[in-house]
Amino acid sequence: GQNIDQPTEMTATEGAIVQINCTYQTSGFNGLFWYQQHAGEAPTFLSYNVLDGLEEKGRFSSFLSRSKGYSYLLLKELQMKDSASYLCAVGDSNYQLIWGAGTKLIIKP
Amino acid sequence: GAVVSQHPSRVICKSGTSVKIECRSLDFQATTMFWYRQFPKQSLMLMATSNEGSKATYEQGVEKDKFLINHASLTLSTLTVTSAHPEDSSFYICSARDGGARETQYFGPGTRLLVL
Repeated sequence: GQNIDQPTEMTATEGAIVQINCTYQTSGFNGLFWYQQHAGEAPTFLSYNVLDGLEEKGRFSSFLSRSKGYSYLLLKELQMKDSASYLCAVGDSNYQLIWGAGTKLIIKP
Repeated sequence: GAVVSQHPSRVICKSGTSVKIECRSLDFQATTMFWYRQFPKQSLMLMATSNEGSKATYEQGVEKDKFLINHASLTLSTLTVTSAHPEDSSFYICSARDGGARETQYFGPGTRLLVL
């Protein structure tokens, strides 16, 4: 079957660094996506990885290891506005996105 | 970046009425659009995949006669909730896939539906 796993909730401190992990098992692989979703709002696209390695975009970086079925989203210099749910999604062989349940990130002052 | 609009953003209706929600890709052509539903504090749930010029593909458990989807052009898909009931109250979100941007899905802002 197809499965995306990520932690349900994480807590971090303002100014710190946090890493949100995602492991997956899917039929086919056409990229791994990270989205951010604030409460009551629609998801917004953060990053895309299709090759192994690290993609850096400002304070956010995303890493992929296809052989391990593993990705992480790294958030640096955390700000209060980063409090949100972070969704991991994998494109399967039909380019359909298989969604993780999301990780709720709580930032404390 | 790619922009997807959704209208209306919020709607309140009486039980038994029908509600139409529009989803538009503003700066790219989307051969495929998706409709999701999300209940409070729950995950996104894919309802259907909408392909331009053909019938939508519905996920298991989603009634195609209740949730009518039309994808008449490369920039517009509509979802009509027919004979709405209070249990249909939810946050409906569309996304459009940009084939030129590594198949990334971009989301509309969502429509909050409340059926009284």
